[in-house]
Amino acid sequence: EAQVTQNPRYLITVTGKKLTVTCSQNMNHEYMSWYRQDPGLGLRQIYYSMNVEVTDKGDVPEGYKVSRKEKRNFPLILESPSPNQTSLYFCASSLRGRLNTEAFFGQGTRLTVV
Amino acid sequence: AQKITQTQPGMFVQEKEAVTLDCTYDTSDQSYGLFWYKQPSSGEMIFLIYQGSYDEQNATEGRYSLNFQKARKSANLVISASQLGDSAMYFCAMRIYGGSQGNLIFGKGTKLSVKP
Repeated sequence: EAQVTQNPRYLITVTGKKLTVTCSQNMNHEYMSWYRQDPGLGLRQIYYSMNVEVTDKGDVPEGYKVSRKEKRNFPLILESPSPNQTSLYFCASSLRGRLNTEAFFGQGTRLTVV
Repeated sequence: AQKITQTQPGMFVQEKEAVTLDCTYDTSDQSYGLFWYKQPSSGEMIFLIYQGSYDEQNATEGRYSLNFQKARKSANLVISASQLGDSAMYFCAMRIYGGSQGNLIFGKGTKLSVKP
């Protein structure tokens, strides 16, 4: 089954404690991205990757890091989480270079930083 | 700069009636794609429908249709015969060809509530 898998689904952590949210896709997609969703703001892109070892900043990259060492994995790293990073996070993947290809989303990670 | 605007934060519709969710977009690119996603209360993002900028016909998928008016830069989602299970957040999104070749730009969403 084609899917994007995020872990964990729910996470409560304390300010400053480094965490990683994993994302893996099994569709051989070149393009992967991370979004955060906040009430009234919709989905905003954090980082994206067009292929292995190629990453770039989205609209709200501050406080986040990513890496793309393998095509299937695109982890999101919060080195020192702060309460303003409390949000719902989505990983998405799609084929690159095709306008009409839909983005496949993971099930989301609800992060609370206290 | 590319932008998606959804002006209806929340809407109510009676079960079995049709409803239109508004979406306007802003881009100077000629090649782009428009998408609608549904997010039920469980949180997952579900792809509904796609319209390409060069498509002459409005896209349809079952009870969903996209009312594409290129000159007005609008891409409204029409849901016919609403069902209780249609209660959800709906997001309009746009992808531009070229550049990052994949970025989806989202609107802020419309929360649809279907009343029995």
